[in-house]
Amino acid sequence: AQSVTQPDIHITVSEGASLELRCNYSYGATPYLFWYVQSPGQGLQLLLKYFSGDTLVQGIKGFEAEFKRSQSSFNLRKPSVHWSDAAEYFCAVGGATNKLIFGTGTLLAVQP
Amino acid sequence: GAGVSQSPSNKVTEKGKDVELRCDPISGHTALYWYRQSLGQGLEFLIYFQGNSAPDKSGLPSDRFSAERTGGSVSTLTIQRTQQEDSAVYLCASRPRTSGGPLRGTGELFFGEGSRLTVL
Repeated sequence: AQSVTQPDIHITVSEGASLELRCNYSYGATPYLFWYVQSPGQGLQLLLKYFSGDTLVQGIKGFEAEFKRSQSSFNLRKPSVHWSDAAEYFCAVGGATNKLIFGTGTLLAVQP
Repeated sequence: GAGVSQSPSNKVTEKGKDVELRCDPISGHTALYWYRQSLGQGLEFLIYFQGNSAPDKSGLPSDRFSAERTGGSVSTLTIQRTQQEDSAVYLCASRPRTSGGPLRGTGELFFGEGSRLTVL
């Protein structure tokens, strides 16, 4: 079955610190992987996506994610977090079925 | 506007009443999705429309939920005999036609700001 696990419900980091948000997926075929961000009071916005090729993908706002097939993971990273990065982050998996399945989200708080 | 538009933005209803939530996708987008966002549940897939194909209804939680898409554009999600557990934010998203064949079928989704439903 198609599923996404985001094990961290809530993470707090200091401004300027590095960030890694974890995402593990289950998918029976070649996965297409996404990270979306939902800022307070706003709709979801795509940060980055992986379809094929280079397993390290770059996104907007300085985010990157690495696809590791052996670990069924697609973790999101940022070397230096800004206060404006405080938001909820969702990992999602899809594929040829066109059904995009999301994880339960990770709420990021940034301390000054 | 240029984005996905949802109405109403907020709806408060009494248990047992029917509600309709509307989604206007981005013009020209061929695919339309409905998701439900509840606290701690993430985004729960409800239904997916693609062009003239039969919709994927596999995520609808019960037969009280239904959705239609008229003319390949506007979509309405209907919840009959609402229950308190239906309280959530209902999100609509649309997606443009993607190139590269069916293996590239899942491209970026553009989300509306949602309809917050509260069932008393």
